[in-house]
Amino acid sequence: EAQVTQNPRYLITVTGKKLTVTCSQNMNHEYMSWYRQDPGLGLRQIYYSMNVEVTDKGDVPEGYKVSRKEKRNFPLILESPSPNQTSLYFCASSLQGTGRNGYTFGSGTRLTVV
Amino acid sequence: GEDVEQSLFLSVREGDSSVINCTYTDSSSTYLYWYKQEPGAGLQLLTYIFSNMDMKQDQRLTVLLNKKDKHLSLRIADTQTGDSAIYFCAESSTNAGKSTFGDGTTLTVKP
Repeated sequence: EAQVTQNPRYLITVTGKKLTVTCSQNMNHEYMSWYRQDPGLGLRQIYYSMNVEVTDKGDVPEGYKVSRKEKRNFPLILESPSPNQTSLYFCASSLQGTGRNGYTFGSGTRLTVV
Repeated sequence: GEDVEQSLFLSVREGDSSVINCTYTDSSSTYLYWYKQEPGAGLQLLTYIFSNMDMKQDQRLTVLLNKKDKHLSLRIADTQTGDSAIYFCAESSTNAGKSTFGDGTTLTVKP
């Protein structure tokens, strides 16, 4: 089944403890992206990647890192999480970033930083 | 940069039609999309329209595009309680190579 898989689905962590949220897609998509969703703020893009070894900042990149060493994986790294990073995170992928198929989204990761 | 705006809430009665509106600013938008997000889930692509089209119909869904006014709408006929969700408008352009999303419209369908 064509899908984007995020792990974990839920995570509670403490301030300052490094964490990684994994994202993997099995559709050979070139484009991948991370979003956070907060009430009243819609979807905000954190980072995106047009292809392997190519990453770029989105609208809210502060406090996050990403890497794209392989086409299928695009992990989101929080080196020192803070409470304002408590949010619902989505990974998405697309064949080329634009086109009639739009984006395929993962099921989301709900992160709480205490 | 590009901007996509939509109203935040819409409430309708079961069986009525729902119309969700969206405006965008990028005149080079190539594709425009509607996504649906059900509670606890990710966004799912509902439908798209290419920028040289005025209308697209897919069963109960009708998408209208006014390119001159940069206005997009999604009409859901015979709205059901299962249609209750957040609907996101999005646009993409070949120039940008990525999509820009609106903030989402929460549709509530009352029995």
